[in-house]
Amino acid sequence: SQKIEQNSEALNIQEGKTATLTCNYTNYSPAYLQWYRQDPGRGPVFLLLIRENEKEKRKERLKVTFDTTLKQSLFHITASQPADSATYLCALGAGGNKLVFGAGTILRVKS
Amino acid sequence: NAGVMQNPRHLVRRRGQEARLRCSPMKGHSHVYWYRQLPEEGLKFMVYLQKENIIDESGMPKERFSAEFPKEGPSILRIQQVVRGDSAAYFCASSPSNRGPLHNSPLHFGNGTRLTVT
Repeated sequence: SQKIEQNSEALNIQEGKTATLTCNYTNYSPAYLQWYRQDPGRGPVFLLLIRENEKEKRKERLKVTFDTTLKQSLFHITASQPADSATYLCALGAGGNKLVFGAGTILRVKS
Repeated sequence: NAGVMQNPRHLVRRRGQEARLRCSPMKGHSHVYWYRQLPEEGLKFMVYLQKENIIDESGMPKERFSAEFPKEGPSILRIQQVVRGDSAAYFCASSPSNRGPLHNSPLHFGNGTRLTVT
């Protein structure tokens, strides 16, 4: 069956450290993968997109990698700040105009 | 430049009543997507619509649920005879006609309607 798996346990890190979140998928062949941020009571907000032919993408303190052999994407936040605390969702194109989401990982950055 | 607007933000219905959730896409966007989110779970795709057309409703329950996106006005997600299991957050997202997931482009989400069925 098709699955998208993200760390189910919350990730707690100290301010200034690098946070690394994982997204694994099974039985999909996505042309791209996206990462979103979701705050409590709000809708997801798009952060980054990486295509299957790209190994790495960066935007300010954010970095995403995409390994189609391992069927995995890693999402890094460097020099993390308490304001980075949120739920982070990965999503991939599942054909047509359908975007399929993982359950998300809660990140807590402590000062 | 308003984003995706959803209303109401919170909706309480008794079992058996109807729930109507509204979504106005971003200006210039003609594609609308509805997702449902249960606590501790990811966003589940329900339906994808263009103006006056349902393109993909593969995630929509076969009974009691319907969606429309008329030529004028917001998109409506309608749930008839609600049951407690319908309690969830319902999110709407939009994209321009030529910039959706098919074109590797992101979705723009509203802040959702939280439906509680008592």
